Amino acid sequence: ETGVTQSPTHLIKTRGQQVTLRCSSQSGHNTVSWYQQALGQGPQFIFQYYREEENGRGNFPPRFSGLQFPNYSSELNVNALELDDSALYLCASSLGGRITNEKLFFGSGTQLSVL
Amino acid sequence: AQTVTQSQPEMSVQEAETVTLSCTYDTSENNYYLFWYKQPPSRQMILVIRQEAYKQQNATENRFSVNFQKAAKSFSLKISDSQLGDTAMYFCAFMNYGGSQGNLIFGKGTKLSVKP
Repeated sequence: ETGVTQSPTHLIKTRGQQVTLRCSSQSGHNTVSWYQQALGQGPQFIFQYYREEENGRGNFPPRFSGLQFPNYSSELNVNALELDDSALYLCASSLGGRITNEKLFFGSGTQLSVL
Repeated sequence: AQTVTQSQPEMSVQEAETVTLSCTYDTSENNYYLFWYKQPPSRQMILVIRQEAYKQQNATENRFSVNFQKAAKSFSLKISDSQLGDTAMYFCAFMNYGGSQGNLIFGKGTKLSVKP
């Protein structure tokens, strides 16, 4: 078990709604990365936050946005939900925004279903 | 753009035997990192092993070892003395050196079943 916790574990929304997913990073970690894992696929990088600033973004539209708080916890917000947004959303924390020898610690994810 | 390909959607192995999972990748970069992650039913991604591309020596972690062939862009995972707890999805992943630390590019995964 890592110290990364995500909430909620499961969520059901309808198309067009907005959703906020939360991640509490491991103690001492200042970097949080978010991934989307569709059914039967590997995780895809959404974005990363380092010391409250966005520090890299994958190929996701602007309706995917995030925040990182002074305690380094993080939120992922998705507006105007689409059916294809149904997926497992994983959060990973680490120490250091740029490439280091520190490894990523993943949470158990939030399973989002969009109906 | 970098891509990671895992050509074996599913594999099975008898307990105590050895199994090898395949991974190929495509990149024009010279410096990068490669990883194998395990995802059990708990859904949490767990790092199994990591390889720096500039190191010729293959990484080893207990029962897990890799065969890294840089010229062939191949990165296979060997699991020795398979245990029931090794049953999981296994993902090969790539990361550019100097990029955002969390920006991993994953393959589609291989579902490994260890049978008693």
